[in-house]
Amino acid sequence: EPEVTQTPSHQVTQMGQEVILRCVPISNHLYFYWYRQILGQKVEFLVSFYNNEISEKSEIFDDQFSVERPDGSNFTLKIRSTKLEDSAMYFCASRAGTGSTFGPGTRLLVL
Amino acid sequence: RKEVEQDPGPFNVPEGATVAFNCTYSNSASQSFFWYRQDCRKEPKLLMSVYSSGNEDGRFTAQLNRASQYISLLIRDSKLSDSATYLCVVNTGGGNKLTFGTGTQLKVEL
Repeated sequence: EPEVTQTPSHQVTQMGQEVILRCVPISNHLYFYWYRQILGQKVEFLVSFYNNEISEKSEIFDDQFSVERPDGSNFTLKIRSTKLEDSAMYFCASRAGTGSTFGPGTRLLVL
Repeated sequence: RKEVEQDPGPFNVPEGATVAFNCTYSNSASQSFFWYRQDCRKEPKLLMSVYSSGNEDGRFTAQLNRASQYISLLIRDSKLSDSATYLCVVNTGGGNKLTFGTGTQLKVEL
């Protein structure tokens, strides 16, 4: 069964550092998403991406965040200057029809 | 009012029991509805879509009431492997972002 992959599985960084989280969506999917889940809380939408541009973003997705699809397979989330409150599990998801498929997540810890 | 509201549980049930979860959503313009399952520290996995006519997948039955903005999930003959958090998820708007409830925790016991 096709799956979404994410790297790294875990990332520890110092506050103020830049991080890049990587995702490989399912190959024939056209819609891509990033979500995050702070420990013990619900999954929250960050951004959706379609046709090489952002189609929607949440209030969480401020100027510190950016997304890119640098080639035909990768989809990245960059956090320019991490804050303590950015510590969370970050999930990439992709979709063809209804219902999104999620990757296994990257657990980000900001110290 | 929360966009998607669920009873957090936990629901502790014996193996073989039938258990039902409910969910309400606030945005009447919501277009698609899902139940996802999330195991501890894992990603959400799509369990089933929810249709207005109601739909069934094996031991799982989902119902949608648009007038009441209410979604339900029924699990029959619970298995130990059903232990997880069940997420009520709503898709609103053209961007197709998913809005998640906080989830209902289910523990199936021997």
